[in-house]
Amino acid sequence: QVQLQESGPGLVKPSETLSLTCTVSGGSISSSSYYWGWIRQPPGKGLEWIGSIYFTGNTYYNPSLKSRVTMSVDTSKNQFSLNLSSVTAADTALYYCARRLYPLGYMDVWGKGTTVTVSS
Amino acid sequence: DIQMTQSPSSLSASVGDTVTITCRASQTIDSYLNWYQQRPGTAPKLLIYAASSLRSGVPSRFSGSGSGTEFTLTITTLQPEDFAIYYCQQSSSNLPYTFGQGTKLES
Repeated sequence: QVQLQESGPGLVKPSETLSLTCTVSGGSISSSSYYWGWIRQPPGKGLEWIGSIYFTGNTYYNPSLKSRVTMSVDTSKNQFSLNLSSVTAADTALYYCARRLYPLGYMDVWGKGTTVTVSS
Repeated sequence: DIQMTQSPSSLSASVGDTVTITCRASQTIDSYLNWYQQRPGTAPKLLIYAASSLRSGVPSRFSGSGSGTEFTLTITTLQPEDFAIYYCQQSSSNLPYTFGQGTKLES
């Protein structure tokens, strides 16, 4: 079955760029049925949708983060990535990647998550 | 953004009980409503999609209902593994996707 695995630095300095990659295994990222996305969860808090990307490169971002977010996809590696620029302590969170079914929009496969701390 | 409001924020129950969690949307989302369960230290797990469709492999004691702006998740005959946090999420075309604040179900 499809599995997702996040990877990237666990510590990022303020004002720098957070970069994470999600590797998809057990299935193709080029499936026409799915978008691939990122969701984050600050410590002890709820879930925030960051954005999604299709294998063609089409993206949807949360307007609250849009000015700082860039997502990309590498179909040859079956990976997609998140860049979040100009980070602050408020960006400290557990970051999940997830598969989203189009068009119903539910997220049926999640990675285990990776913790990113923003601190100098 | 569409605001999703869950009630209650926390709920105390016992094994064998039946509980209901409500999720209200700030505007209509038809049936684009999904429910997730998050156990401590794990990623959210999809339980219900499209308001009332039970995901394959999820026990039938979980059920969802509603449409428009008001939705419910019901868990009958609570099992020990059901004590967790539950989130609703709207997935209408009105982006961004948004989640409720969560309901902590505890014993």
